[in-house]
Amino acid sequence: AQSVTQPDIHITVSEGASLELRCNYSYGATPYLFWYVQSPGQGLQLLLKYFSGDTLVQGIKGFEAEFKRSQSSFNLRKPSVHWSDAAEYFCAVGRAAGNKLTFGGGTRVLVKP
Amino acid sequence: ETGVTQSPTHLIKTRGQQVTLRCSSQSGHNTVSWYQQALGQGPQFIFQYYREEENGRGNFPPRFSGLQFPNYSSELNVNALELDDSALYLCASSEKLGGTTDTQYFGPGTRLTVL
Repeated sequence: AQSVTQPDIHITVSEGASLELRCNYSYGATPYLFWYVQSPGQGLQLLLKYFSGDTLVQGIKGFEAEFKRSQSSFNLRKPSVHWSDAAEYFCAVGRAAGNKLTFGGGTRVLVKP
Repeated sequence: ETGVTQSPTHLIKTRGQQVTLRCSSQSGHNTVSWYQQALGQGPQFIFQYYREEENGRGNFPPRFSGLQFPNYSSELNVNALELDDSALYLCASSEKLGGTTDTQYFGPGTRLTVL
């Protein structure tokens, strides 16, 4: 069975500082990996995805993520956080011929001025 | 190109009632997936519809059912509502080509409250 763990429930970061959100997955085949962001009361917006190829993927809003197969991780990073990045972030895993996405529990990011 | 839309935005029902939620997929997408997101948790997969047929189901009881129409829009029906059904219901559309899954794009959700 596939599963996703986001170890940090809350992260507080100062505006302009760097941000890294952790994601570990358990999967028996080549995973498709995603990061989504959710603002309060809103749906999910796709930040980036990894299907294959270069293990460092670039996304929208200045985010990037690195796939590390040996560590079963897909951590999300941003070099300099803006106040508008305050939101909840979800990591998800799926499979190539599959249907469902399995989500982690999310990490809530608070940005201090 | 329009994105995924859902209606209604909010809904309040009482225990035992039935509810229907609606989703219009993004232009060009032939697959719709439904997720339930309880407060403070990540979304959980309910089921997926591809070309009007159910294409996989999560760990939800039969009182959760769905439909997909020829225009690829979809409905989620929940019978005999329980208090624990209170959640944000998210619809996601994607384009399935052959056996390959593409990225799922989410709508804004329907907030269901069961009293």
